[in-house]
Amino acid sequence: EDKVVQSPLSLVVHEGDTVTLNCSYEVTNFRSLLWYKQEKKAPTFLFMLTSSGIEKKSGRLSSILDKKELFSILNITATQTGDSAVYLCAAYRTGTASKLTFGTGTRLQVTL
Amino acid sequence: EAGVAQSPRYKIIEKRQSVAFWCNPISGHATLYWYQQILGQGPKLLIQFQNNGVVDDSQLPKDRFSAERLKGVDSTLKIQPAKLEDSAVYLCASSLGYSPGGTIYFGEGSWLTVV
Repeated sequence: EDKVVQSPLSLVVHEGDTVTLNCSYEVTNFRSLLWYKQEKKAPTFLFMLTSSGIEKKSGRLSSILDKKELFSILNITATQTGDSAVYLCAAYRTGTASKLTFGTGTRLQVTL
Repeated sequence: EAGVAQSPRYKIIEKRQSVAFWCNPISGHATLYWYQQILGQGPKLLIQFQNNGVVDDSQLPKDRFSAERLKGVDSTLKIQPAKLEDSAVYLCASSLGYSPGGTIYFGEGSWLTVV
């Protein structure tokens, strides 16, 4: 059965700190790894990673995938209170039953 | 571009009652998904449609849950009879193709409380 594990489960930081969120996966026929941000409503898409070692960047957020060690990290630099949310990692597999499997998420709280 | 539309946004029902949720995907998106997200957990796929055919419903509790996607556009998800453990957010999502690499777009969700 496909499995996605995120750590830490929750995190409290001060504004301006840098945080690293972790995601490991065990997925048959793995195709891509996705990160979503969820703030009390539907998840919104952040990144999709398909190749190892290539960093994707959007403003203060960046992410990288390691397909050999089966993990990904999401970095947020100079955190702001608006970054407070649950960050979801999901692994996508292809095949006759292509499917997106989510982790339980990391709850990030950024305080002043 | 209009996003994924869902209704109702919130619903409170008693156990053993029935409930139905409606979803209208992004125009042109062939693949539609229903996810169940229990508080504190990540979304879990209940059913995936490609046009109006079912691709994956392996985690759908078929004794009480049903879903259909007539004409390959709108979809409804029904729960009958509801149990307390069905309290969750039901997220509808859509994507352009069958194997999009995983980029799917979510609706705002339908929040169900079973009392």
